[in-house]
Amino acid sequence: AQSVTQPDIHITVSEGASLELRCNYSYGATPYLFWYVQSPGQGLQLLLKYFSGDTLVQGIKGFEAEFKRSQSSFNLRKPSVHWSDAAEYFCAVGFYNQGGKLIFGQGTELSVKP
Amino acid sequence: DTAVSQTPKYLVTQMGNDKSIKCEQNLGHDTMYWYKQDSKKFLKIMFSYNNKELIINETVPNRFSPKSPDKAHLNLHINSLELGDSAVYFCASSQGQGARNTIYFGEGSWLTVV
Repeated sequence: AQSVTQPDIHITVSEGASLELRCNYSYGATPYLFWYVQSPGQGLQLLLKYFSGDTLVQGIKGFEAEFKRSQSSFNLRKPSVHWSDAAEYFCAVGFYNQGGKLIFGQGTELSVKP
Repeated sequence: DTAVSQTPKYLVTQMGNDKSIKCEQNLGHDTMYWYKQDSKKFLKIMFSYNNKELIINETVPNRFSPKSPDKAHLNLHINSLELGDSAVYFCASSQGQGARNTIYFGEGSWLTVV
């Protein structure tokens, strides 16, 4: 079945430590790929997106993500996490022929300990 | 100024009631969406409109009726509310229908049906 999977429901990292959030998709064609962040009680904010070209994309707030076609993955990384990064992170996919419809993963909640 | 604004932010209502959530965007976008986030934080598209025309209708019960009086507004009316309608409803907008266009989300409307 077509899906977007974020294997980790909850991750805790120490402030200053590196972070990697995983995302895998299961579709026949390579979709457009997105990472969104949702802070408590807030809407979603786009961190970064991948359509084509360079497989390493840079986003806002020091985040980056790498697309790996062979693994159908689009993992989000940050070299040094700040306490303000604590939030829910969503991976999403879109397709050129489905309008603006995004299909979201189930989210990964990030906690940051001092 | 908030780019995508929704009202009300919080709504508690009884089963069987009819309620509306309003959404306005001041970004000049031509496409608007409603997404639903359930209690497990799973996000799913409900509707999209482009220039007041319905584009996406994702097998949503017909108790849900979106209305777009102009391209800056997309309201969601829900009839005969059920317990399962309790969720966070996000309005969003983009310039253009394609998935390559960045989608901007509102802060959400928390609906609780009791």
